[in-house]
Amino acid sequence: DIQMTQSPSSVSASIGDRVTITCRASQNIYTWLAWYQQKPGKAPKLLIYAASTLQSGVPARFSGSGSGTYFTLTISSLQPEDFATYYCQQAHSFPPTFGGGTKVEIK
Amino acid sequence: QITLKESGPTVVKSTQTLTLTCTFSGFSLNTSGLGVGWIRQPPGKALEWLALIYWDGDKRYSPSLRTRLTISKDTSKNQVVLSMTNMGPLDTATFYCARVGHCTETDCFQVNWFDPWGQGTLVTVSS
Repeated sequence: DIQMTQSPSSVSASIGDRVTITCRASQNIYTWLAWYQQKPGKAPKLLIYAASTLQSGVPARFSGSGSGTYFTLTISSLQPEDFATYYCQQAHSFPPTFGGGTKVEIK
Repeated sequence: QITLKESGPTVVKSTQTLTLTCTFSGFSLNTSGLGVGWIRQPPGKALEWLALIYWDGDKRYSPSLRTRLTISKDTSKNQVVLSMTNMGPLDTATFYCARVGHCTETDCFQVNWFDPWGQGTLVTVSS
């Protein structure tokens, strides 16, 4: 299985801050990576796929980059509705695997 | 609009078999490239993929749970069913179903990211 490692596991930030989350794959997954946002008590929501393509309807303050084994999710200016847990997921090979999550909390 | 919704028991006893149904609308599992997957999330923990079935009947399972899982589809009813045998307390989780595949205006492609997701259903295993 491909292991996905996210860091940090949690981050405290203020409204307007720039936040970057990192996801590392245990082997080359090219750009077969997705990012999800999950709010408490809700289902995950696809934010970004193919490492850098914004899903329709997702605000442009979210961006993704990377390829191979190193990926980042950046929120350029944190908004109140962005406080949530974020997960990366590799879609390169079976089984699909998720990172452990990064909780973005209010500072 | 694409929607999915999970249904099934909220409580099962240890050693019992869990059967969950995902009922969806807004797409067809007759469409090349599409599939429906199941993912679970224990309380306070991360997401874990369980199983997936594609439009052509191809089935994939988590290697660690393969012997306990069965996935099937009823295309006419727009439903996908997941069974998990020998449930135990560590299987307590919210179970989600989600569509797999990416569609443009003209085609759908087989890619294994999940969108959208159902609301999820919490299943508690009692000992």
